[in-house]
Amino acid sequence: NAGVMQNPRHLVRRRGQEARLRCSPMKGHSHVYWYRQLPEEGLKFMVYLQKENIIDESGMPKERFSAEFPKEGPSILRIQQVVRGDSAAYFCASSSKRESYEQYFGPGTRLTVT
Amino acid sequence: QQQVKQSPQSLIVQKGGISIINCAYENTAFDYFPWYQQFPGKGPALLIAIRPDVSEKKEGRFTISFNKSAKQFSLHIMDSQPGDSATYFCAASRGGGGNKLTFGTGTQLKVEL
Repeated sequence: NAGVMQNPRHLVRRRGQEARLRCSPMKGHSHVYWYRQLPEEGLKFMVYLQKENIIDESGMPKERFSAEFPKEGPSILRIQQVVRGDSAAYFCASSSKRESYEQYFGPGTRLTVT
Repeated sequence: QQQVKQSPQSLIVQKGGISIINCAYENTAFDYFPWYQQFPGKGPALLIAIRPDVSEKKEGRFTISFNKSAKQFSLHIMDSQPGDSATYFCAASRGGGGNKLTFGTGTQLKVEL
């Protein structure tokens, strides 16, 4: 009974490079949320996706960040032209249906921008 | 306002004692209040959650107390153990709003022998 999977667990990128973070939800879950955790801070909502749809992207920075959840395969959070301020832990969570309150988190991807 | 305020920032409790963490919210549309436990290097794990139609929920050593009129809720950890040492986050979400979670800033709990 695999939980939420994220890869890579650690990612190092130089300023200006692209970062791709992947999230596979729990089996049977079709809703994915992405959150960002800056050092010494709580988690901040970024985007909520359903298969092939972005439901709510109100927490996404306007530039350089994008997310998708294709019909097949994992959800991907993409950060273009990374800057040092993007260094953070990125977590995805999944839920089973649109109005399901319970969200289960993955282990996170720790992005370091050098 | 979407904020959830959490206190204290850190807490040291003796083994066997009671750990109490408090949260306050502003948005009265919130209708789901979970607590998450996070160990270093790991993702948050759902610990216990409450809906506003009840004032208390207990699961094992963990209890949520909820005060709707004061817009406050708290986590009580009874008989605290060293294995409970972790960061605890309260959160809130609103049904119909996509259920995105608004988190508190976290409480680092250390349970000493």
